[in-house]
Amino acid sequence: AQSVTQLGSHVSVSEGALFLLRCNYSSSVPPYLFWYVQYPNQGLQLLLKYTSAATLVKGINGFEAEFKKSETSFHLTKPSAHMSDAAEYFCAVSEGGGADGLTFGKGTHLIIQP
Amino acid sequence: DAGVIQSPRHEVTEMGQEVTLRCKPISGHNSLFWYRQTMMRGLELLIYFNNNVPIDDSGMPEDRFSAKMPNASFSTLKIQPSEPRDSAVYFCASSETGNYGYTFGSGTRLTVV
Repeated sequence: AQSVTQLGSHVSVSEGALFLLRCNYSSSVPPYLFWYVQYPNQGLQLLLKYTSAATLVKGINGFEAEFKKSETSFHLTKPSAHMSDAAEYFCAVSEGGGADGLTFGKGTHLIIQP
Repeated sequence: DAGVIQSPRHEVTEMGQEVTLRCKPISGHNSLFWYRQTMMRGLELLIYFNNNVPIDDSGMPEDRFSAKMPNASFSTLKIQPSEPRDSAVYFCASSETGNYGYTFGSGTRLTVV
């Protein structure tokens, strides 16, 4: 069965600083990996996805993630934090690439300090 | 495209009442998913359909929950009877097989009092 672990339920960074949100996965087959962001009282918005092409994935608004098979990781980074990045971030895994459901991590709440 | 459309956005009901949540997926998407989000359990997959056929309902918590997809453009999630522990945000998502994209609706916040 697939699973996702997000280390750090809360992460606090200073505005302008680089930040990294951690995601480790478990999957019995080559996975499809996703990062979503959720702002308060809103739905989930896709930031980026890994679909077995390039291991370094670029997403919207300057977000990036690198797929590392040897570490079973898919950490999310952004070089410079903005106040608008304050939100809940979810890592998710799928084994079916759209035909099956996503398994989500518990989420990481990102706090931006001015 | 209008995206995945869910209704209602908010629902407050009394314990024991029937609740029906609705979802219109993106046109052309052939998979539809229902998720529930709570503070305690996070995001849980309840059920999903491929080409209008239920594939996996192992996440449906109890027999009080049921879901249907009568056609490619509409799905419902019904809770009968509702209980306070069903209070959560329910999300619908759709995807197109092979396109590796899941699009979520804005959710329905259900409160059972």
